[in-house]
Amino acid sequence: NAGVTQTPKFRVLKTGQSMTLLCAQDMNHEYMYWYRQDPGMGLRLIHYSVGEGTTAKGEVPDGYNVSRLKKQNFLLGLESAAPSQTSVYFCASSYGRGGTEAFFGQGTRLTVV
Amino acid sequence: LAKTTQPISMDSYEGQEVNITCSHNNIATNDYITWYQQFPSQGPRFIIQGYKTKVTNEVASLFIPADRKSSTLSLPRVSLSDTAVYYCLVGSPHTHNAGNMLTFGGGTRLMVKP
Repeated sequence: NAGVTQTPKFRVLKTGQSMTLLCAQDMNHEYMYWYRQDPGMGLRLIHYSVGEGTTAKGEVPDGYNVSRLKKQNFLLGLESAAPSQTSVYFCASSYGRGGTEAFFGQGTRLTVV
Repeated sequence: LAKTTQPISMDSYEGQEVNITCSHNNIATNDYITWYQQFPSQGPRFIIQGYKTKVTNEVASLFIPADRKSSTLSLPRVSLSDTAVYYCLVGSPHTHNAGNMLTFGGGTRLMVKP
């Protein structure tokens, strides 16, 4: 039972570099989410998707792009990384919206130097 | 505008019962109340959900008064391993609008001491 898998687990980027974080779920969930969590803080929603081919902005979308070409995958892209994007990124999926149980990945720790 | 309000932190001792209250004054008719637990360096995990009155599972109990403007997560006889951040969320699986996403506030940081 894989659930939600995030790749990679750790990454160090130089300012201005780009990268893509991959989230994969095997539960056939329609909804997928990307969050960031800064030290000692709660989770903030970056982008979300309500189905294959759809994406929408969350609370803190600036500097990030996403794509949902396949139902099971949700990609988060950083086109030009900045030190302010140093954070832990969590992906989640659920079968429905706000009142449904969400399943989270193990997180990706990103450091931008 | 935050949908829920919870204490920032709480301390307890092993073996005690811990009650964490969450305020959600603007809860909608179709909203459910869901609690998540997050250990350090891990993603949150679902622990309990309710709509009204009381819900109990193997991990916790959730008490919801009749007006549903607040809820209380009760953890019986906590141990050191219950040290975590607890998040209260409200939302509906039936409401299809952009505002009904999984929005986490700051949560309550519970520290269980020996």
